[in-house]
Amino acid sequence: SAVISQKPSRDICQRGTSLTIQCQVDSQVTMMFWYRQQPGQSLTLIATANQGSEATYESGFVIDKFPISRPNLTFSTLTVSNMSPEDSSIYLCSVEGQAQGTQYFGPGTRLLVL
Amino acid sequence: TQLLEQSPQFLSIQEGENLTVYCNSSSVFSSLQWYRQEPGEGPVLLVTVVTGGEVKKLKRLTFQFGDARKDSSLHITAAQPGDTGLYLCAGEETGANNLFFGTGTRLTVIP
Repeated sequence: SAVISQKPSRDICQRGTSLTIQCQVDSQVTMMFWYRQQPGQSLTLIATANQGSEATYESGFVIDKFPISRPNLTFSTLTVSNMSPEDSSIYLCSVEGQAQGTQYFGPGTRLLVL
Repeated sequence: TQLLEQSPQFLSIQEGENLTVYCNSSSVFSSLQWYRQEPGEGPVLLVTVVTGGEVKKLKRLTFQFGDARKDSSLHITAAQPGDTGLYLCAGEETGANNLFFGTGTRLTVIP
């Protein structure tokens, strides 16, 4: 399985500001994913990030609010823009595993917006 | 958006008891995964099942994929406090690369 790190691990931000979350993998992967996990809830996919192409966003998520970069096969960033308290969540990145359907997750970034 | 319903939503049991968590959908999945997430951590993959009717065992955990590949169950024998966590099923839709996560089951095992 891949080793995935995220920065920052947690942050407290003021409304109206933006935060960029970094995700680093210890091996090259084709597909990386960004999820949101609201307090006490399950995971919701925000977008899929492939190197060399624009991210593919799920219904309810837009690029202006959650711009994503994927400059190489080991790194991706997710920006939460113009934050409001409703954006307070855990943001998780994951990568596809070798076995069918499997994904491996980073430790998450805990965001609190005041 | 595919909907994966898990039941129960919350479960609190005594150490040594057995339990079963269910994951149900009206959709067919090419594979289904079970994850466990502990506070402050990301989900950790427990198992992947791909064949209808498949049963996999991981120590005290038994996972089953329904014959029609629409549902799954997780059975824990002789639960231990270390089993405490959020259990998530996730289905991979045929032809898609992303996972749809279940609603989650929060398990607490009391010593």
